[in-house]
Amino acid sequence: GQNIDQPTEMTATEGAIVQINCTYQTSGFNGLFWYQQHAGEAPTFLSYNVLDGLEEKGRFSSFLSRSKGYSYLLLKELQMKDSASYLCAVADSNYQLIWGAGTKLIIKP
Amino acid sequence: GAVVSQHPSRVICKSGTSVKIECRSLDFQATTMFWYRQFPKQSLMLMATSNEGSKATYEQGVEKDKFLINHASLTLSTLTVTSAHPEDSSFYICSAPPTSSSYNEQFFGPGTRLTVL
Repeated sequence: GQNIDQPTEMTATEGAIVQINCTYQTSGFNGLFWYQQHAGEAPTFLSYNVLDGLEEKGRFSSFLSRSKGYSYLLLKELQMKDSASYLCAVADSNYQLIWGAGTKLIIKP
Repeated sequence: GAVVSQHPSRVICKSGTSVKIECRSLDFQATTMFWYRQFPKQSLMLMATSNEGSKATYEQGVEKDKFLINHASLTLSTLTVTSAHPEDSSFYICSAPPTSSSYNEQFFGPGTRLTVL
C-alpha cells in the first residue's frame, strides 16, 4: 500500500531550528511537496522536490533522498507565526497526491 | 501564485438539505480540480477528481450520488452534498493545478466549513 509517515507533533523554541521528517512508500514518484496549514485554513504551498538534494527558500529548506524514501523540511529562525501543521505529500505515478497526516509544530517563546 | 476561490466559506444547514460549494480558479484555467475533505486533527482526504467536460473520478468509499460534482468550465467546479447529515460536517477544500503546469504545484481554495445540524 501507499504510506506517508511524519511525526504527529513537535515543539521548538522561537529563534531556533527545527527539522520535520517525512518517509514515504508509494506506487511511483513524481515529486514530494510540503505544505503549511494553519488551523481552520487551507494548506499553502511551501516546497517541491523531485530530484535528490536540498532546495532552499528563505528560512525554509526541503531535502529529498529518493533512494531512501525520505524528505525533511528545515525551518530556521523560528517565529511564532510558524506554529502550524506541516503536511508532506507525494505525487504518485498518476500524479495523485498522497498525503501524510501532518506534523503539528508548536513554537514556544 | 495562482488564486483559487471557494464559496461559501462557511455554511450551516439542517439535516436532509443539499449544499452546493463552488470552486473557481480566478487567474488560470484548470482542466482538473480536486476535492478534499478534512476532519478535525486529520489530514486531507481526497474525495474526487473533477475533470472539465467529463465525469468526475471518485475515490473508493465516496458515494458519487451523494457528492455530486460538476466541472462545467475551465474555471469552475461545484460540489453538491445531497441530503446532508451531521456526519458530513467537515472542512471541504478544493485545489487545482494550472493547465500549463506539470503538476508540480497545486493551489488550494480557502476551504468551506460545513456544519449539518
